[in-house]
Amino acid sequence: AQTVTQSQPEMSVQEAETVTLSCTYDTSESDYYLFWYKQPPSRQMILVIRQEAYKQQNATENRFSVNFQKAAKSFSLKISDSQLGDAAMYFCALYGGATNKLIFGTGTLLAVQP
Amino acid sequence: SQTIHQWPATLVQPVGSPLSLECTVEGTSNPNLYWYRQAAGRGLQLLFYSVGIGQISSEVPQNLSASRPQDRQFILSSKKLLLSDSGFYLCAWRAGSSNQPQHFGDGTRLSIL
Repeated sequence: AQTVTQSQPEMSVQEAETVTLSCTYDTSESDYYLFWYKQPPSRQMILVIRQEAYKQQNATENRFSVNFQKAAKSFSLKISDSQLGDAAMYFCALYGGATNKLIFGTGTLLAVQP
Repeated sequence: SQTIHQWPATLVQPVGSPLSLECTVEGTSNPNLYWYRQAAGRGLQLLFYSVGIGQISSEVPQNLSASRPQDRQFILSSKKLLLSDSGFYLCAWRAGSSNQPQHFGDGTRLSIL
C-alpha cells in the first residue's frame, strides 16, 4: 500500500522568511511521482510543484523548491521569501504509475504573519 | 488549453433527496477522471475514478455512485442523501501519461439539512 504522511498539522512563518513543510511517503513502486498542492481559503486545489522519482535533481518553481531524499522517502517543500498569499493548506501527494490514483497526505495549514 | 468545469458551486439539499453533480473537461481526450470528498479541515478522500467511458472504480462503499456517459463527462449521484454526505466535493482530471499531475475543478460545497 502507498501512504503519505504529513506530520505538521499547522505551521507559521513570518512574511519574507523561509519555511519548510515536511512529507514522508512509502511505496513499493519504482516509478512514481510526487506533488505538492496548495489549497487557499477559496478551496481551489493548485499544483505547486512536482518531482519525478527518477530525477536526482530537486525541482524548483520560483520561490518554491523541494528537498527530495529518495532513500529516506522524504519530500519536503521549502517556501522562500514567504508572502501573505502563501497562506493555505498544503498537501503532499504521491502517484504510483500502476495504481492510477493520487494518494494525499492530511495536509499542513500554513499561516503567514505580517 | 485544458479546462475543467464543475457545478454547481454550492448546493443545499434536504436529507433523502437525490443528488447530481457534474464535471466536464475541455481541451483533452480520454482523460482519467476523479471524484474526491473533503470534510472541513481534513484531507481528500478519493471516492471514484474512471479511466474511460463506462469504467468506474469505487474506492469507498457508500451512498454515492458515479457515471461517465461521455469521454469528458463525469457525474456523481445519489438516490437518497444522508447527513454524512455533507462536504466539499472536488472533481479532477489527469492526462494518461503517468508523469502528469491532476488538475482540479473549483469544487462543490454540499450541505445536507
